[in-house]
Amino acid sequence: NAGVTQTPKFRILKIGQSMTLQCTQDMNHNYMYWYRQDPGMGLKLIYYSVGAGITDKGEVPNGYNVSRSTTEDFPLRLELAAPSQTSVYFCASSYSRDRAYSPLHFGNGTRLTVT
Amino acid sequence: AQSVTQLGSHVSVSEGALVLLRCNYSSSVPPYLFWYVQYPNQGLQLLLKYTTGATLVKGINGFEAEFKKSETSFHLTKPSAHMSDAAEYFCAVSDPNTDKLIFGTGTRLQVFP
Repeated sequence: NAGVTQTPKFRILKIGQSMTLQCTQDMNHNYMYWYRQDPGMGLKLIYYSVGAGITDKGEVPNGYNVSRSTTEDFPLRLELAAPSQTSVYFCASSYSRDRAYSPLHFGNGTRLTVT
Repeated sequence: AQSVTQLGSHVSVSEGALVLLRCNYSSSVPPYLFWYVQYPNQGLQLLLKYTTGATLVKGINGFEAEFKKSETSFHLTKPSAHMSDAAEYFCAVSDPNTDKLIFGTGTRLQVFP
């Protein structure tokens, strides 16, 4: 019963480096989301996807890219890491967009530090 | 536009004491309201939700919340705190017509023996 799996758990990047945060779910959910969590700021939506091949921007997309080639996977790409991207990143998925009947399932997060 | 305000970034209670975590919302349409809990080094888990109907909703681990439209509030309560309740709690609101969740800034609950 894996649910939503995120890798890596921790990562330290130097300014200007790039990396991909991996997210995979085994629940056959169409909807997938990337959030970032900063202390005292709650969660902010970076990007989301409503199905394979379809992605869209959230509240804070600058500096990130995503792709959705399969239903299971939704990787988040940082091209030129900046200290402002130091955060905890959460991937989430849901069966449908109706929050009354389809809750979000979250991964355990990736803690990223950019120095 | 929707927003959520959680009063108090940190709340400390003794084991066995009442837990009260405050959440006020702003929404131009009848909202859906949620409480999520985040244990250390884990993702968020849904604790309870209000969508329509009964305004007092019960969740997991003995938590409940009451939707009060007149006060635009959705406070989370538990009659008797347990050490295992120590975690961060997030209130969230969504427009029933979209799937976007707006999260509050979170309240960290500490429980002392």
